[in-house]
Amino acid sequence: GAGVSQSPRYKVAKRGQDVALRCDPISGHVSLFWYQQALGQGPEFLTYFQNEAQLDKSGLPSDRFFAERPEGSVSTLKIQRTQQEDSAVYLCASSLALGGWAYNEQFFGPGTRLTVL
Amino acid sequence: GDSVTQMEGPVTLSEEAFLTINCTYTATGYPSLFWYVQYPGEGLQLLLKATKADDKGSNKGFEATYRKETTSFHLEKGSVQVSDSAVYFCAGTAGNMLTFGGGTRLMVKP
Repeated sequence: GAGVSQSPRYKVAKRGQDVALRCDPISGHVSLFWYQQALGQGPEFLTYFQNEAQLDKSGLPSDRFFAERPEGSVSTLKIQRTQQEDSAVYLCASSLALGGWAYNEQFFGPGTRLTVL
Repeated sequence: GDSVTQMEGPVTLSEEAFLTINCTYTATGYPSLFWYVQYPGEGLQLLLKATKADDKGSNKGFEATYRKETTSFHLEKGSVQVSDSAVYFCAGTAGNMLTFGGGTRLMVKP
């Protein structure tokens, strides 16, 4: 079956441009997560959805970052007025579980590599 | 907040050598612990997990035991193969999101 997909796989933006990154979770998965992975580092949590509700956005680094999941399926991470420090791989993950059960595996997409020039 | 401390790499081993990658987790609660692997050009994949103290996770010859007294979850494999070359991430969660270590790159030479 299909896994988590993300698009685009690669994005180059000029500083100051807005970008939108898309995540298609596994069908039926209730929980959706966004992570940011800087070069040579581990992923860091950005935000979490349960269905369409954004339950935790404590990891978003600034108000330039915005995420939505309006119908409880596809999610979009938007970054406004991109800066060079936003360059990273953005990972999306989904899990079947309701709530934040630690027992349920998060399935990761391949990521979108964003480069801001 | 929660944090994961993981052995820095790269780790270079010869085929059939013994592997240990250390990981410790600091949390206010009792986290579940995981090892994820990222093969070249691929996404993160769950390798193994343990949800409570003394649990042992195992998969593909890899093992890790959740030691409550040290909140450690060291990854071991008795005989590595070239195909095990990848980046390994220790992670934990006591709630919703995963907290990851910085990753350890393993290179196995034939």
